[in-house]
Amino acid sequence: AQTVTQSQPEMSVQEAETVTLSCTYDTSESDYYLFWYKQPPSRQMILVIRQEAYKQQNATENRFSVNFQKAAKSFSLKISDSQLGDAAMYFCAYRNTYNNNDMRFGAGTRLTVKP
Amino acid sequence: DAGITQSPRHKVTETGTPVTLRCHQTENHRYMYWYRQDPGHGLRLIHYSYGVKDTDKGEVSDGYSVSRSKTEDFLLTLESATSSQTSVYFCAISGAVDNSPLHFGNGTRLTVT
Repeated sequence: AQTVTQSQPEMSVQEAETVTLSCTYDTSESDYYLFWYKQPPSRQMILVIRQEAYKQQNATENRFSVNFQKAAKSFSLKISDSQLGDAAMYFCAYRNTYNNNDMRFGAGTRLTVKP
Repeated sequence: DAGITQSPRHKVTETGTPVTLRCHQTENHRYMYWYRQDPGHGLRLIHYSYGVKDTDKGEVSDGYSVSRSKTEDFLLTLESATSSQTSVYFCAISGAVDNSPLHFGNGTRLTVT
């Protein structure tokens, strides 16, 4: 079974600085999708960014970008110009193309933003 | 919120009692999911549905059953609640496209005493 590992239970960043959250995954498949979700204290799960494994170009959404290293099975999230509203739990997720009903999540990284 | 409503938002129940959580969507999506969220585990799939009356087990299905009699409703039932089922439960929906992300409801916090 595919597994997703987030090795940083907690991270902190100064407001306006840049932070990178790590994610690695284990799979034998070549086609899959990767996602980052944000969960603020409200408990709502919010999609931040997605990446298709067949695309070499790293996805970018405003201040959020990913560093996708397929050979290393690594999918890190970079947050630039961090804002207080970025404070949340962040979950990395993997979705298999062939069994796309089973999205696997990492344990999460709690990000604190210091003013 | 992508048109997903979970009810109740909070519930406290006693060990051994049956509990049903409801998920209602207004997006007419085919796929619906139940996840549980626990510290140190992220979200884990309990059951999912790929159509009316079509359901299947996920990673942590023991002790749970589901039903989907209408496209818009997906029910999760704990036949006899145990303390290990204390958790936050999320419903999610997805379109048919492979790279469709999951859209989540706001979750139900269930406490089994």
